[in-house]
Amino acid sequence: GAGVSQSPRYKVAKRGQDVALRCDPISGHVSLFWYQQALGQGPEFLTYFQNEAQLDKSGLPSDRFFAERPEGSVSTLKIQRTQQEDSAVYLCASSLVGAGKIYEQYFGPGTRLTVT
Amino acid sequence: AQSVTQPDIHITVSEGASLELRCNYSYGATPYLFWYVQSPGQGLQLLLKYFSGDTLVQGIKGFEAEFKRSQSSFNLRKPSVHWSDAAEYFCAVVSPSGGSYIPTFGRGTSLIVHP
Repeated sequence: GAGVSQSPRYKVAKRGQDVALRCDPISGHVSLFWYQQALGQGPEFLTYFQNEAQLDKSGLPSDRFFAERPEGSVSTLKIQRTQQEDSAVYLCASSLVGAGKIYEQYFGPGTRLTVT
Repeated sequence: AQSVTQPDIHITVSEGASLELRCNYSYGATPYLFWYVQSPGQGLQLLLKYFSGDTLVQGIKGFEAEFKRSQSSFNLRKPSVHWSDAAEYFCAVVSPSGGSYIPTFGRGTSLIVHP
């Protein structure tokens, strides 16, 4: 079946612009995670949704970052007034819940954001 | 604070040779442990996981990992590497004791395979 998809795959933004990154999780996956992966680093957690509820946003680096999942399926990560330090790959992952399934995350290919 | 260390940034092996990628963690209790692989332009794929029980776990693509509590390690191994194994490998840890489900990733090890 279809995996996690993300769009766009590449985004170039001028400093100060707003961007919106989209994630389509695997159908039926209740949990959805966003990560930020800087060059040469491992992914770092940003935020977590269970259905439409944002249960954890402790990893969002500033109030310029905002995520939503209004219908419990597609999610959008929005970054306002982008800064150069926002340049990274943004990964989305989804999973089932229950019986350890939340730990088996399926990742999308990511969106590479470059802020110039 | 919890941490994950992958001491090798790059590892180079010849095709057909054996492989061991190192991972050490710092946690108060036994965590859940994972290895992921990331090919260029792709997302992460789960290779294997350890929750409890047998300390030697088998994964996909012929990989295995061994949990050693005394060394706080979870090293990834493969007896014979194929050229298609060239990728970035990430070790990740979750501390479930506090109800967390958020993984902490190491910085990754880049595997280069020579023909």
